[in-house]
Amino acid sequence: QVQLQESGPGLVKPSETVSLNCSVSGDSISTYYWSWIRQPPGKGLEWIASIYYSGTTNYNPSLKSRVTISVDTSKNHFSLKLTSVTAADTALYYCARIRVPAVIWDAFDIWGQGTMVTVSS
Amino acid sequence: DIQMTQSPSSLSASVGDRVTITCRASQSITSYLNWYQQKVGKAPKLLIYAATSLQSGVPSRFSGSGSGTDFTLTITSLQPEDFATYYCQQSYSTPLTFGGGTRIEIK
Repeated sequence: QVQLQESGPGLVKPSETVSLNCSVSGDSISTYYWSWIRQPPGKGLEWIASIYYSGTTNYNPSLKSRVTISVDTSKNHFSLKLTSVTAADTALYYCARIRVPAVIWDAFDIWGQGTMVTVSS
Repeated sequence: DIQMTQSPSSLSASVGDRVTITCRASQSITSYLNWYQQKVGKAPKLLIYAATSLQSGVPSRFSGSGSGTDFTLTITSLQPEDFATYYCQQSYSTPLTFGGGTRIEIK
């Protein structure tokens, strides 16, 4: 079955850039939209961005100036880069698949286990 | 942005109870409404998509209803494994947005 696995640095200093990776196994990345969603400790869920294998992207306007999502079909993974981080970016970052092939207007049906990013000096 | 408002934010219930959670959108989202269950320390799990469709493998005691701006998630006969936090999410337009969550606690 399809599995997603996030990876990241864990601890990042304020003003730095954090890069996260999501490896997709069990299916080709070249079918669906893939997304990043985050959850601050004890709080709710926030959609960050989504990408199609072709490179088509959608960003949350609240983060768009600091976020880049990219996909590498040869490695079957996609990535997130978040610049100029602050303590407010401390969260569990999930990668997820959107359920219907080639469609962004649908539910997140498969999620990774999440990777924690802590912003602290 | 479409704002999603869930109520209540938390509730206490007993095993066997019927539980209903409400989600309201700030504008019509037709049926582009999804429900998730999140247990402590785990990723969210998709329960219901397109307002009323049960995701594969999800028990039939979960059901969704509604369209437009008002939606409900109903759990008939609450089971011990159902104590968790539930989120609604609209997929009508970007930015994709979630409700604030409803935590179901054991009475």
